[in-house]
Amino acid sequence: DIQMTQSPSSLSASVGDRVTITCLASQDISNYLNWYQQKPGKAPKLLIYDASNLETGVPSRFSGSGSGTDFTFTISSLQPEDFATYYCQQYDDLPLTFGGGTKVEI
Amino acid sequence: EVQLVESGGGLVKPGGSLRLSCAASGFTFSRNSMHWVRQAPGKGLEWVSSISGSSDYIYYADSVKGRFTISRDNAANSLYLQMNSLRAEDTAVYYCARAPSITTLFFQHWGQGTLVTVSS
Repeated sequence: DIQMTQSPSSLSASVGDRVTITCLASQDISNYLNWYQQKPGKAPKLLIYDASNLETGVPSRFSGSGSGTDFTFTISSLQPEDFATYYCQQYDDLPLTFGGGTKVEI
Repeated sequence: EVQLVESGGGLVKPGGSLRLSCAASGFTFSRNSMHWVRQAPGKGLEWVSSISGSSDYIYYADSVKGRFTISRDNAANSLYLQMNSLRAEDTAVYYCARAPSITTLFFQHWGQGTLVTVSS
C-alpha cells in the first residue's frame, strides 16, 4: 500500500497568514494526488485534483504543487472559513489512501 | 445540482448485517464511478470500495473484502453497500462519493454520510 504522510498534523495560524501543508508519498505517484477540506460534522470537499488543478468554484487562494513523492498545498491568505482539516489522497494505485489530515486552527 | 443522499445506517450488533443506500441525482449516474469512504469517530478518511459505471470493475479495501459488497442500480440512480459480519472497527460515518471515472479517482461530490455503529 502507498503510505501518505501529511505534515504537520496540526497548526495554528491567523487570518491573513500563508499556510503550507506537505504530503509525502511512500512511492512515486506521478501527479495522482488530491486535496480535500473537511469541516466538523460535514463531508469532505474537493479543493485540488491531480496535484495542482483547482476544482471549479474553489477560491484561488488555494493551490497545490508537486509530483512524484513530494506535494505541497498552500492557502495564500487564510480566511475565517478556512479553519478546517485538510487531507491529501493518492489514486496512483489501489488501495486509495489518504493522509492523516492537518487540522488548521486559530 | 448534484446530490448524494445516504441512508441505512444505524446500530447493529457485532456479526450483524446492514445495507447502506445512496440515492443520486443531478448527473448521469451510469457514467460515473461511485465509491464508499468511511470515517471512524475522531479519525481520518478510509477508502472502502469502488464500482465503475457499468459495474465491470469493483474494488475493495482489504479490511472489508469478503464481508462487504458494493453494487449499483443505474435505472434507479442508486448505489448500495451490503455489510455483513460487522465488527466494532467498522463503526464509522459512511460517505458515498462520485468520481469522474474508475481511473480518474478524485471525489468531486460527497453525500452527507450515514453513521454505522457496531456495538453489543
